[in-house]
Amino acid sequence: AQTVTQSQPEMSVQEAETVTLSCTYDTSENNYYLFWYKQPPSRQMILVIRQEAYKQQNATENRFSVNFQKAAKSFSLKISDSQLGDTAMYFCAFISRGSQGNLIFGKGTKLSVKP
Amino acid sequence: GAVVSQHPSRVICKSGTSVKIECRSLDFQATTMFWYRQFPKKSLMLMATSNEGSKATYEQGVEKDKFLINHASLTLSTLTVTSAHPEDSSFYICSARKGGSGTGELFFGEGSRLTVL
Repeated sequence: AQTVTQSQPEMSVQEAETVTLSCTYDTSENNYYLFWYKQPPSRQMILVIRQEAYKQQNATENRFSVNFQKAAKSFSLKISDSQLGDTAMYFCAFISRGSQGNLIFGKGTKLSVKP
Repeated sequence: GAVVSQHPSRVICKSGTSVKIECRSLDFQATTMFWYRQFPKKSLMLMATSNEGSKATYEQGVEKDKFLINHASLTLSTLTVTSAHPEDSSFYICSARKGGSGTGELFFGEGSRLTVL
C-alpha cells in the first residue's frame, strides 16, 4: 500500500527566512505525481506545487521549490523568503499516474511564520 | 482555471434534521468528486467517491444511509447528512478532478462547517 509520511507536525520560521518541510512516501510504482497542498486558516486547500515522477528536474513555483529524490522517495518543500501569508497547514500528497482515485495525503505540517 | 464551489460554507441545524451540502465544478466537468471530513488539526479523511451517474463508493466505516451522496450531473455532487446529531458536527470538504485529466490534480471546494445543536 502507498503511504505518505510527514514527520514534522509543527514548524515555525521567521518572516523572510527559508524553511523546508519534509515528506517521504512509499510506493512500488514508477510513474506517479506528488503534490504539496496548502490549507490556510480559511480552510480551502490550494495546490502549491506538483512534481511528475518521471521528470528529474525539481519543480519550482516562485518562492516554492521541491527537492525530489526519487530513489530515496523523498519530496521536501522549500519556502524561500517566508511571508506571513504562508502560515498554514501543508499537506504532501501522492497519486499513481493514470489513477482516477483519491490522493493519498500525509498528516500535514502546521507552519507558522512569525513577524 | 479550475474552480470548485461548495455551499453553504457554514450551517447550523437542530439534531434530527437533514442538511444538504453542494459541491459544484464551475468551469470544468468532473466525472469524479470526493467528499472528506476533517477534524481539527487533522488531515482529510476520505468519506466517499462520487461518480457521475452511478452510486457513490463509501469508505469503510462511513454509513451510506447517513451520508447520502448524489452526483447527478458532471458539475454537481451533493452530500446530505440525514438525521444529523452533534457528533456529525465537523468540517466537510469536497474535491473534483477534471474529466480526462492525466495530471492527478484535485481541485477543492472552500469547505462547509456543520454544527449540529
